[in-house]
Amino acid sequence: GEDVEQSLFLSVREGDSSVINCTYTDSSSTYLYWYKQEPGAGLQLLTYIFSNMDMKQDQRLTVLLNKKDKHLSLRIADTQTGDSAIYFCAESLSGYSTLTFGKGTMLLVSP
Amino acid sequence: NAGVMQNPRHLVRRRGQEARLRCSPMKGHSHVYWYRQLPEEGLKFMVYLQKENIIDESGMPKERFSAEFPKEGPSILRIQQVVRGDSAAYFCASSPPVQEGDGEKLFFGSGTQLSVL
Repeated sequence: GEDVEQSLFLSVREGDSSVINCTYTDSSSTYLYWYKQEPGAGLQLLTYIFSNMDMKQDQRLTVLLNKKDKHLSLRIADTQTGDSAIYFCAESLSGYSTLTFGKGTMLLVSP
Repeated sequence: NAGVMQNPRHLVRRRGQEARLRCSPMKGHSHVYWYRQLPEEGLKFMVYLQKENIIDESGMPKERFSAEFPKEGPSILRIQQVVRGDSAAYFCASSPPVQEGDGEKLFFGSGTQLSVL
């Protein structure tokens, strides 16, 4: 079955790097996603990675995928207070298949 | 190009009443998804629709819940005879046609917070 696990909370200081971790169980997962949810808002797609990739970088964001261990991480460099939000990891099989979300990691960035 | 529009933002109903949640997808998107978020939980898939068709409703409760996406107008998620356990945030998402080799990109609305008294 599908299950996505995340740590619930992470606190960092402004300027530090943040690393949010996620594990998944479905080895058939084709795409893995990171979404950001700010208070009172919907989810915003940050980035996604195809399962045949190990790493993807997009400005301050770096996604690392260890397919053997079914482990996904999101690194935010030079974390800002505006990065404070809940970050959701999600997986899908392919194409139009539905996404399975983790419960989210609350990131708190202090000045 | 407006994003995914959901209304109302907040909906209060008494037990036994009906709740109707609306979602207008982004322009050019023909796929709509409904997800439910319970407190301190991730989003749970409910239903996936294309125009006039339900593609996957495996996440919908068997009773009281229904969804439609008519040829004209928004997608509607309808909950009949609401109970307190239906209180949650309901998110709609839409997506464009998926390009080969590309991931599924869902664009979410801001959600409707349903409170059942």
